[in-house]
Amino acid sequence: QKEVEQDPGPLSVPEGAIVSLNCTYSNSAFQYFMWYRQYSRKGPELLMYTYSSGNKEDGRFTAQVDKSSKYISLFIRDSQPSDSATYLCAMSDNQAGTALIFGKGTTLSVSS
Amino acid sequence: KAGVTQTPRYLIKTRGQQVTLSCSPISGHRSVSWYQQTPGQGLQFLFEYFSETQRNKGNFPGRFSGRQFSNSRSEMNVSTLELGDSALYLCASSLGQGGRALHFGNGTRLTVT
Repeated sequence: QKEVEQDPGPLSVPEGAIVSLNCTYSNSAFQYFMWYRQYSRKGPELLMYTYSSGNKEDGRFTAQVDKSSKYISLFIRDSQPSDSATYLCAMSDNQAGTALIFGKGTTLSVSS
Repeated sequence: KAGVTQTPRYLIKTRGQQVTLSCSPISGHRSVSWYQQTPGQGLQFLFEYFSETQRNKGNFPGRFSGRQFSNSRSEMNVSTLELGDSALYLCASSLGQGGRALHFGNGTRLTVT
């Protein structure tokens, strides 16, 4: 079993839809949870950063962490064609520092 | 503020050669981490440097090494290149040691033939 599982998609939605992206993990020691967005031929860009459980909202983006279920989600409201990218979840425990464990990424396509 | 800069953007090398990749972090960021990204394995941590010292290392062979200079700039070296080393190599910087809010560069695409 991989430490972090993420459905690769592709996920195709119409403009304006609500998008739900998810990751599951097996290591209960993970405390830090991040979502990155990666456009083609670019490096990953940090979207959301949360510690432990709970929700965090930033504009059209909401990150949720459910540690009891070992499940994290990223919701994108009012999706735009510019949101078309690969979304990567990443996580780490208290000891790992910058040695993040990444999911393989979900490719999202938003059509106008 | 300028982002993380990686040079070169593309490299083509032959099996058995060695290669050096360069990374300039965001101004003020003292931690530099390196990752390898491949379609099969995704993003995998190579190592982190902070204050010119390697602070953490991933599960890669000794052919992969790095260093950090006093101005926080970092280089990564891969010796005796193998075909499987073909990948996108990403550098990321963060403010402090172990800082998990990583800011990535656009990477160096290495192709080994």
